[in-house]
Amino acid sequence: GDSVTQMEGPVTLSEEAFLTINCTYTATGYPSLFWYVQYPGEGLQLLLKATKADDKGSNKGFEATYRKETTSFHLEKGSVQVSDSAVYFCALPTDKLIFGTGTRLQVFP
Amino acid sequence: GAVVSQHPSRVICKSGTSVKIECRSLDFQATTMFWYRQFPKKSLMLMATSNEGSKATYEQGVEKDKFLINHASLTLSTLTVTSAHPEDSSFYICSARVTGRNSPLHFGNGTRLTVT
Repeated sequence: GDSVTQMEGPVTLSEEAFLTINCTYTATGYPSLFWYVQYPGEGLQLLLKATKADDKGSNKGFEATYRKETTSFHLEKGSVQVSDSAVYFCALPTDKLIFGTGTRLQVFP
Repeated sequence: GAVVSQHPSRVICKSGTSVKIECRSLDFQATTMFWYRQFPKKSLMLMATSNEGSKATYEQGVEKDKFLINHASLTLSTLTVTSAHPEDSSFYICSARVTGRNSPLHFGNGTRLTVT
C-alpha cells in the first residue's frame, strides 16, 4: 500500500549549516507530495508541495524536488536558522493523508 | 489562504467529564475534515474522517462511542471526548481539505487536552 518513510531524528545543526531531511514514498500513480512543519505547541503548516514528477517546491528557503526515479522528496535548506527548529513531516495524499514519522530539527546558535 | 480555526487551544478537565473541541474552516467550505491525535514526540495518528451530513469514518482501534464526531455544516466539525480519562490526555488536531485528494490539508492549531 501507499506509505512514506522519513529519516529518524533528531537532527541537530548549528546555525547556517546545510540541512537535508530524507523522505521516500511508495504510491500508486503519481500523487502530489507535501512537507509540513510543526512549531512547538502548534498545529501543522504546509511548508511546500510538488504536484508532479520533477517539480520543485520551495518556501522560506526550503526546497524539495519530486523525483519519480528514486521515489524521493528530500527536504533541503542551504543555511538553517534557529527559528527553523521544529518537527518536519513528509506527507502523501491518498483519500486521507499519510504522514511520515516526523523529523525533529534543532538548530543551535 | 485557507484557514482552519480550532477551539479551545487548551483545556483541562476532570476525569469522567466530557470535552468538546470545535474545528471551523473560516474561508472555505470543507466537505471532509480529519481528526488526528498526537502523542508526545510522535507522529500524527488519524482518528477519523468527518464527512458533512453523514457519519464519521473511524480508524481501526478508535472508539466511536468515546470520540464522538459531528460534522453538521460545511464549515464546522466537532470532536467530543466523552467520559474522559487521564489516558485521553493528548494533543488533538483537526484538518480540512479544500478540494480533491491531491490538494493539501490545512490544519488547526491543535487542542491540548489534559484530564486530571
